[in-house]
Order: sequence, then C-alpha cells, then structure tokens
Amino acid sequence: TQLLEQSPQFLSIQEGENLTVYCNSSSVFSSLQWYRQEPGEGPVLLVTVVTGGEVKKLKRLTFQFGDARKDSSLHITAAQTGDTGLYLCASYTPLVFGKGTRLSVIA
Amino acid sequence: SQTIHQWPATLVQPVGSPLSLECTVEGTSNPNLYWYRQAAGRGLQLLFYSVGIGQISSEVPQNLSASRPQDRQFILSSKKLLLSDSGFYLCAWNLYTNTEAFFGQGTRLTVV
Repeated sequence: TQLLEQSPQFLSIQEGENLTVYCNSSSVFSSLQWYRQEPGEGPVLLVTVVTGGEVKKLKRLTFQFGDARKDSSLHITAAQTGDTGLYLCASYTPLVFGKGTRLSVIA
Repeated sequence: SQTIHQWPATLVQPVGSPLSLECTVEGTSNPNLYWYRQAAGRGLQLLFYSVGIGQISSEVPQNLSASRPQDRQFILSSKKLLLSDSGFYLCAWNLYTNTEAFFGQGTRLTVV
C-alpha cells in the first residue's frame, strides 16, 4: 500500500494570502486525487490528476502533478475563509489517504 | 442517482461491548466499498476494503472485522470494543480504481 506524506500539517493564514500544500510519495502514483473535508462530514473530491506534469485549475485552486508522478501540489490564490478545511491527497490501489493539511483562513 | 447511507451518526459504547456499523449504497451495482477511521482532525486510515461480495481485504490488524453480505452492504464489527477504537468512522464507495470516491456522513464512535 502506497504511503503519502503531506506538508505542512497545519497552516493558518490571513484572507487574501496565497498558499501551497504538498503531497509526496516514494512510489510512483498511477493517479492522484485531492479531497477537501469539512468537520463532521466525509471528504469531497476536488480533482484527479493522471498525467505527469499535468496542471489543473479549479477557480482559485491550481493542482500540479509532478513530472515523475511522485508528488503533487495544491496552490490556492487569494485564500478566502470558505477555503478553511482539511485537504487530503489520495491514491490507489487501494484508496489510501495522506494525513492531510489543516488549513485555517482568518478574516 | 447513487447515494450512500451510513448509520448511526453517533454512538457511545462501553469498553468491552460489541459494535456493528452499517453502510449501504443505492443506485449502483458491484461498487468497491471502504471503511476508514479518522482521529480528530487527522487523515483517514483505511481499515477494510471490498471489491465484491464476501471479498474483504484488511489493511490494519486490530479487533475490528468487516463483512459484505450483499452487493451494496458493508458492515464493520467488533466483538469487544477498546478505548482506542474511538473515532470517526467513514464508509465510502466507488465504481472503479482511479475514480471519485463518495463518502457517507460518518459515525462518531466514543468508547467509554
């Protein structure tokens, strides 16, 4: 089973700032998913990246997949308080998750 | 459309008591099914997954077990709960590897 390492573990920033969180593995990912989780709820998928070097944008969120498919990053531009949550990366097989980055955006 | 039901939402159980958490999926056939446990504010630990009826893979050896008696039903059980079994338990499904996983609302288990 693949092990995923996420950093930083915690991040607290002011509204309007930019931030980047990371997901790394010693193994090659077949694909990688990013989820966001609100307290007391299940995670919800943000994006799936499959191809090395791939970049996907979802409004203010930019996801990158490393060329060697061993790492990925999530960049948020001009963070808003609504971005607060736990960001998890996940990969197969089976579906395993990193420990997450807990983001707190302060108004 | 597909939906996933997980119950109960909250459970308080004494140490040494049994446990049964149930998860059912509607609107799809032959889903992959997963049980996760989450410590407060942390990532999801995969406990069990199943690719078909009666097929259970265990990721973490412990006093929990899982069963899949029907195609869309996944049950997490324990004969005797430990304090360390407390946590947020999540059931999830997807159709194929590399596709989106959909989660239930979770069960908050407190062992006292």
